[in-house]
Order: sequence, then structure tokens, then C-alpha cells
Amino acid sequence: AQSVTQLDSQVPVFEEAPVELRCNYSSSVSVYLFWYVQYPNQGLQLLLKYLSGSTLVKGINGFEAEFNKSQTSFHLRKPSVHISDTAEYFCAVSEQNSGYSTLTFGKGTMLLVSP
Amino acid sequence: EAQVTQNPRYLITVTGKKLTVTCSQNMNHEYMSWYRQDPGLGLRQIYYSMNVEVTDKGDVPEGYKVSRKEKRNFPLILESPSPNQTSLYFCASSLLAGVPGELFFGEGSRLTVL
Repeated sequence: AQSVTQLDSQVPVFEEAPVELRCNYSSSVSVYLFWYVQYPNQGLQLLLKYLSGSTLVKGINGFEAEFNKSQTSFHLRKPSVHISDTAEYFCAVSEQNSGYSTLTFGKGTMLLVSP
Repeated sequence: EAQVTQNPRYLITVTGKKLTVTCSQNMNHEYMSWYRQDPGLGLRQIYYSMNVEVTDKGDVPEGYKVSRKEKRNFPLILESPSPNQTSLYFCASSLLAGVPGELFFGEGSRLTVL
């Protein structure tokens, strides 16, 4: 079974500063990787995903993530954050060829953007 | 508009009073799932369904029941709620033919059990 670790439960940052949210996973097989975002009082929505191919993945709202197989990481980055990026971010992993039952979420990182 | 609809959005109830949280999707998705979200624990899967009449337990199924009689609906049933089931619940759906993990979520149902 796989697991996901989001190293920071909360990341405070000033508006227009860069940010990196860290995600590490463990799995004995190849995986798909995802970042979801949850804005206040809303459900989760997909931010970006890594399936195969290029290890640098671009998502919505200027976010990107890089898959590093050797370090088993999938960190999320944005070069300049806005107040509206304040939300909780979840990293998720599922094993390839194992179907929907293996999707596992991390515990989330709360991104707090202040003026 | 493509969406997953949950009802009720907010509910306060008392221990032992049976309740049902409904979930409906209009995207003809085969896969549906229920999660609970608790502070510091992230999302944990309760039950999931691969298709009509096909359901299976997730990581935390105790105290919950589900049914999938129609493709669009996947209700979550708490036969005898207890305070430890106070949580934020999310229903999600996806095309089974799609990549695992690309889920569409409802807006959540916040349940308080006194």
C-alpha cells in the first residue's frame, strides 16, 4: 500500500512571494500523482496531475509541480501567490494498474497568504 | 452544469437518530465514493462504488452503510450516529474509464452528532 506525507500542515506567506508545498510518497509500484485544492467552504477540485511523460506538470491558476522519482516527491510551486490562493492543498497518489480503490490523500497543507 | 450535489449541507442531530446524506451526480459517472474530512487527518475514504449494485469498504467504514441502486445516486446512511461521526463529509464521482484519482467533489455536508 502507498502513503502520502505532506510535510507542512500550514504555510504562511506574503502576497507576491513564491511558495512551495511539499509532498512525499511511498509506493512499491509506479504511481499517478495529484494535487487538489479546497477553497473555504467548498469541495476539492483538481489542480494538476502527473500521469507519465514530462516530470514538470502545469496546472490551473499558475501552479506547477515536479515529479522526482528518485526522491519520491511531488512538490507544488507557484512563483507569485495571491490572496485568493489561500486554501488547503491536498496531495494524492494512486497506484497504476490498481484502480480507484488505491487513491490515498495526504493530510493537507493550509496555505495562508497575507497582504 | 456538471456537478455533484449533496444534501443536507449542514445537519445537527442526536446520538442514535438514523440519518441519510444524499449524493447525486449528473455526469453519468460510474465510480462514486464517500470521504470524511477531519482536522489533522485529511480525507479518509468510507465506502466506494464501481457501478450500480457494486459497493466496497474504504478505510473507515464502521458505522456507515451505502447503497447504489441507480447510477446517479449514492446515499450515505448512518443507522445509529455517534458523536465520533461528527465530521465534514464529501461525495465524489469519476468516470471509471478515466485515470484513477480524477474526482469531482460535492461541496460537503457538515454533520454534528450531539
